[in-house]
Amino acid sequence: QSALTQPASVSGSPGQSITISCTGTSSVISAYNYVSWYQQHPGKAPKLMIYDVSKRPSGVSNRFSGSKSGNTASLTISGLQAEDEADYYCSSYTSTANYVFGIGTKVTVL
Amino acid sequence: QLQLQESGPGLVKPSETLSLTCTVSGGSISSGSYYWGWIRQSPGEGLEWIGSIYYSGSTYYNPSLKSRVTLSVDTSMNQFSLKLSSITAADTAVYYCASRPMATVTVDFWGRGTLVTVSS
Repeated sequence: QSALTQPASVSGSPGQSITISCTGTSSVISAYNYVSWYQQHPGKAPKLMIYDVSKRPSGVSNRFSGSKSGNTASLTISGLQAEDEADYYCSSYTSTANYVFGIGTKVTVL
Repeated sequence: QLQLQESGPGLVKPSETLSLTCTVSGGSISSGSYYWGWIRQSPGEGLEWIGSIYYSGSTYYNPSLKSRVTLSVDTSMNQFSLKLSSITAADTAVYYCASRPMATVTVDFWGRGTLVTVSS
């Protein structure tokens, strides 16, 4: 299964909004509403930020939001903060209980 | 809240079998509330799903690794394990164990990960 395509890096100034895209094939992202987004700080385990395209787990800031259009899912971070600087990975559920991940996007807060 | 902790050798020789164990705390594997899985992250690369297992022993494997992967569960120890055979340098990665609630398809909690280096 091919990896999902994400931009290598996205940057923004504190307080700004940024959007990370995640593009897959028609058999993955558009076929299922099971896109998740994970935040990973260096040396740490990935943390679930968004699931089922746009749902936020308890405790995750409402500055994080997710959406999907066709074969592309997006993660938007509003009111960018220094603590948001991390790697972000998208993931989609596929058939037979497997998952495919994006290659990761490094978010830099300028 | 669930906590997951990976354990196993950090250095494995090429052609050998990599064996890792994940110990679950804060919940019981035999409760049937979760699927248990493994994900790896190669240096400088993205994440790759390896496979998942249910407490009953039902397994789901990444097709690209299926021929080399065996997952198992030990409910008495509240652990599940990964074996990856015929390893090469390409299998050098941080290996994470993770959980997925039965009611969803979302991988929610991850262990901290353990680095496995393949080298002679």
